Amino acid sequence: DVKVTQSSRYLVKRTGEKVFLECVQDMDHENMFWYRQDPGLGLRLIYFSYDVKMKEKGDIPEGYSVSREKKERFSLILESASTNQTSMYLCATPSPSGFGQFFGPGTRLTVL
Amino acid sequence: QQQVKQSPQSLIVQKGGISIINCAYENTAFDYFPWYQQFPGKGPALLIAIRPDVSEKKEGRFTISFNKSAKQFSLHIMDSQPGDSATYFCAASRTGNQFYFGTGTSLTVIP
Repeated sequence: DVKVTQSSRYLVKRTGEKVFLECVQDMDHENMFWYRQDPGLGLRLIYFSYDVKMKEKGDIPEGYSVSREKKERFSLILESASTNQTSMYLCATPSPSGFGQFFGPGTRLTVL
Repeated sequence: QQQVKQSPQSLIVQKGGISIINCAYENTAFDYFPWYQQFPGKGPALLIAIRPDVSEKKEGRFTISFNKSAKQFSLHIMDSQPGDSATYFCAASRTGNQFYFGTGTSLTVIP
């Protein structure tokens, strides 16, 4: 069974903390994506990676960075968390069927 | 700017009724239009998708209608059931490139 797992379902952090969100996929795919989901705004692409150590900015990269040291793992980093980064974060890879994207369960991050 | 515009933001339908969600896009280079279904606490899951070479695709109670000239596509859920209550997202992409998502529609089907 195909899996995209995210390290935490819920996370509460303080303003200014460094936050790591991890995503692991077992599909051996080159491409991985990080989105944030906010009510009324839908899903917005933060960063994506098309190979190990390769990364590309999405539509809203400000305040975020990423790391891809191994093919199966893609990390999203909030260098100094702020309250406006409170959101649902979703990791995705291309679907095994070749159509669409396959999403992880999401991490709901609250920054106080 | 929003590449894909989705409406309505929320929808309430009686059990057995038809739910209709609409999306519009601007980029004529898009060639893949999926719909995703998301239940609370879960990530979005691919529901049904269409390419612009056909005007309609049906899978069970779910149908996508596609109007290439108007740059619009819609999801129809026939015989809506309470179990269909979820958030629905449309999306668009050019093959091999970034996906752009609509803002989502919260569907509630009341018994």
